[in-house]
Amino acid sequence: DIQMTQSPSSLSASVGDRVTITCQASQDISNYLNWYQQKPGKAPKLLIYDASNLETGVPSRFSGSGSGTDFTFAISSLQPEDIATYYCQQYDNLLSGGFGPGTKVDIK
Amino acid sequence: QVQLVQSGAEVKKPGASVKVSCKASGYTFTNYYMHWVRQAPGQGLEWMGIINPSGSSTSYAQKFQGRVTMTRDTFTSTVYMEMSSLRSEDTAVYYCARDRSSTSILDYWGQGTLVTVSS
Repeated sequence: DIQMTQSPSSLSASVGDRVTITCQASQDISNYLNWYQQKPGKAPKLLIYDASNLETGVPSRFSGSGSGTDFTFAISSLQPEDIATYYCQQYDNLLSGGFGPGTKVDIK
Repeated sequence: QVQLVQSGAEVKKPGASVKVSCKASGYTFTNYYMHWVRQAPGQGLEWMGIINPSGSSTSYAQKFQGRVTMTRDTFTSTVYMEMSSLRSEDTAVYYCARDRSSTSILDYWGQGTLVTVSS
């Protein structure tokens, strides 16, 4: 099974701050990693696919990088509307799970 | 525009079954796999399984094998997720999500269906 970990589990930052979240896979998953944003009471929304590709219509302040086992998601300038929980998802082997545990982002 | 519209909330007793539907529109139904993902209250996302609407082949997470069945109706562009032997731990919001190009990139999601299991 592929285990996904995310850190931190939660963070609080000020508007305009740069925010970074890391996601680590227990084995090499190449670039088979996506990032989703979920706001309270809403369905998840795809932000980044294939580790570093910005989904159409997603603001450019969001970005992703990494390959193999270590990945990073960043928000270059945190906005109030970015308050959400962010999940990574590996798809090298979905049958072994898929999603990381999530990172809750809040405004300080 | 692509839309996935799920059926309404359900309340079931332990041991019962539930069948949740997800009606797709705005694209060619048989060209895109569909996934099911659930989220227990206050918890993270849990991948359940995938169905190919074209050939109806399925794959399930090991945790759900034998208890979950995913089916589709190509005439109504609807996929279904049926879960049997419900227990309280199955209380969750269940989402369908479209798979872009069979890559497990989930680009469109349904609004979610709350299933509550309670005696």
